[in-house]
Amino acid sequence: EAGVVQSPRYKIIEKKQPVAFWCNPISGHNTLYWYLQNLGQGPELLIRYENEEAVDDSQLPKDRFSAERLKGVDSTLKIQPAELGDSAVYLCASSPARGASSYNEQFFGPGTRLTVL
Amino acid sequence: AQKITQTQPGMFVQEKEAVTLDCTYDTSDQSYGLFWYKQPSSGEMIFLIYQGSYDEQNATEGRYSLNFQKARKSANLVISASQLGDSAMYFCAMSGYSGAGSYQLTFGKGTKLSVIP
Repeated sequence: EAGVVQSPRYKIIEKKQPVAFWCNPISGHNTLYWYLQNLGQGPELLIRYENEEAVDDSQLPKDRFSAERLKGVDSTLKIQPAELGDSAVYLCASSPARGASSYNEQFFGPGTRLTVL
Repeated sequence: AQKITQTQPGMFVQEKEAVTLDCTYDTSDQSYGLFWYKQPSSGEMIFLIYQGSYDEQNATEGRYSLNFQKARKSANLVISASQLGDSAMYFCAMSGYSGAGSYQLTFGKGTKLSVIP
């Protein structure tokens, strides 16, 4: 079974430029997550999708960040314009669990390492 | 709100020895789950082990075991017979109820484990 796929793996851009990250979750997984991981920190949730609906985007900086998950499968996270502080790893995860269960195992992709110069 | 604390930024262990990685948590929920993930230098988060708040027995998965002490709110990871491939970042995470019938993961800052030959 293929895992979560993310691209690109690395991206270097200049500040004020736009950037987009793509994620393909594991087939059949309804729930998709985007996380931000700063150096030396654990992942922090940016947005969670249930199928194509964003059900939790409270941590997404909406002035410059946007996300979409068309048709409830692939997802794209965009930053426009990028700032120096956006340099981090952006992780995508998916989960087959749905409903009220504390067993919420998430399967992670390899991440996209963004460097803003 | 949930909080995860990992107080060991880095740990060293001799190959073939056992090591304990500490994790304490804070929550007012009665139902929650505790996870440990491994993140090698490649960046992908790898699920290791899960413990539910109502599970009376400590979870075990191969060389991994979770020392769950509910009254002390601790969920330490024990790795037995360490191998060179165990060198990585280790994250403790907790799933807490986030509303709308779903649970969400909160991560600690991680512990970097280095296995010495």
